[in-house]
Amino acid sequence: EPEVTQTPSHQVTQMGQEVILRCVPISNHLYFYWYRQILGQKVEFLVSFYNNEISEKSEIFDDQFSVERPDGSNFTLKIRSTKLEDSAMYFCASSSQGEKLFFGSGTQLSVL
Amino acid sequence: GQQLNQSPQSMFIQEGEDVSMNCTSSSIFNTWLWYKQDPGEGPVLLIALYKAGELTSNGRLTAQFGITRKDSFLNISASIPSDVGIYFCAGQQGGSEKLVFGKGTKLTVNP
Repeated sequence: EPEVTQTPSHQVTQMGQEVILRCVPISNHLYFYWYRQILGQKVEFLVSFYNNEISEKSEIFDDQFSVERPDGSNFTLKIRSTKLEDSAMYFCASSSQGEKLFFGSGTQLSVL
Repeated sequence: GQQLNQSPQSMFIQEGEDVSMNCTSSSIFNTWLWYKQDPGEGPVLLIALYKAGELTSNGRLTAQFGITRKDSFLNISASIPSDVGIYFCAGQQGGSEKLVFGKGTKLTVNP
């Protein structure tokens, strides 16, 4: 069964460093998303991406965040200068029609 | 902003028992989704609901989209140990692509 894959599964970084989280969405899906989950809390929306542009973003997704689909298969989330409060599990998701979202297993980001 | 109130926060049940959990909101949602999350994993889609009043089953799971479009429930019948996990409701409103998640119901099943 096709699935969303994310790499790396864990990322440890120093405060102020840039990180790039990578995702390979399900191949025939057109809508792509990033969500995050701080430990013990609910899943929060960051950004949605369709037709090679951001279609919606939350207030969390400030100028330090960016997304890119550099080729036909990858979808990345970049955090330019990480802060302690960016520590969370980051989930990529994809959807064929913008309704049923399928999530990857996540990247656990730890900012020290 | 939009909020989903999910209850109960946690449940401890015996294997074989039925389980019911629900989500309510003061806002209307066009789509309700139920996900299960195991520790260290991403949410796995269980059931998707698209119309008010819709009742949908997936094996031992049954979910309903409330008539008012402001609530949804999930039932699990004859629970088994592998049902353990955190169950999240998520809603999507018209004109928005984002899913709003509830805070989750942590289910523990005692064999």
